[in-house]
Amino acid sequence: GAVVSQHPSWVICKSGTSVKIECRSLDFQATTMFWYRQFPKQSLMLMATSNEGSKATYEQGVEKDKFLINHASLTLSTLTVTSAHPEDSSFYICSARDPTGGNEQFFGPGTRLTVL
Amino acid sequence: KQEVTQIPAALSVPEGENLVLNCSFTDSAIYNLQWFRQDPGKGLTSLLLIQSSQREQTSGRLNASLDKSSGRSTLYIAASQPGDSATYLCAVNGNNRLAFGKGNQVVVIP
Repeated sequence: GAVVSQHPSWVICKSGTSVKIECRSLDFQATTMFWYRQFPKQSLMLMATSNEGSKATYEQGVEKDKFLINHASLTLSTLTVTSAHPEDSSFYICSARDPTGGNEQFFGPGTRLTVL
Repeated sequence: KQEVTQIPAALSVPEGENLVLNCSFTDSAIYNLQWFRQDPGKGLTSLLLIQSSQREQTSGRLNASLDKSSGRSTLYIAASQPGDSATYLCAVNGNNRLAFGKGNQVVVIP
């Protein structure tokens, strides 16, 4: 299957700082990528859909000014958590849809964010 | 809004037993359904993808069935092994958006 990477795999930061997470499709071009958040023992919740070359579509309740998404190329999407607070601590996972592979999404390994 | 429920939330079985994991969803208008495996603190590994037109998919010891009209899918894992211990997530794809269940947390006892 297609491979999706994320960087960093974990990050610890102080409250008030901004953190950038990268999501890359390694062996295919992804016009659409997705960002999810997962709290302990909870389901994955879709935060936003990232479309190459256009603005992201955010789910209801997700602050677009707090979670900045950029999808500048067909292989890279970034999520920036701005002015992070402890309640933003979570597991962030991205996925990418291979346009040649039907509607299957391929997931990255996730990024553990801890805000002190 | 699509609601996905997975039952049981957690189960423990002795090695060698067959596993049966259930997933139900409220909106039958779906493109496909996927089963994933997630190990603690890790990302998702895709196990099986069933298109809406299909009834089942098989890969090795894994078999997943789909009954779209009743909004149900079942994942069967034959002859379970300790390495099968993980959380199994069901995800329903409707309108190119995945809705996830909370998962079935499985422990296989040696």
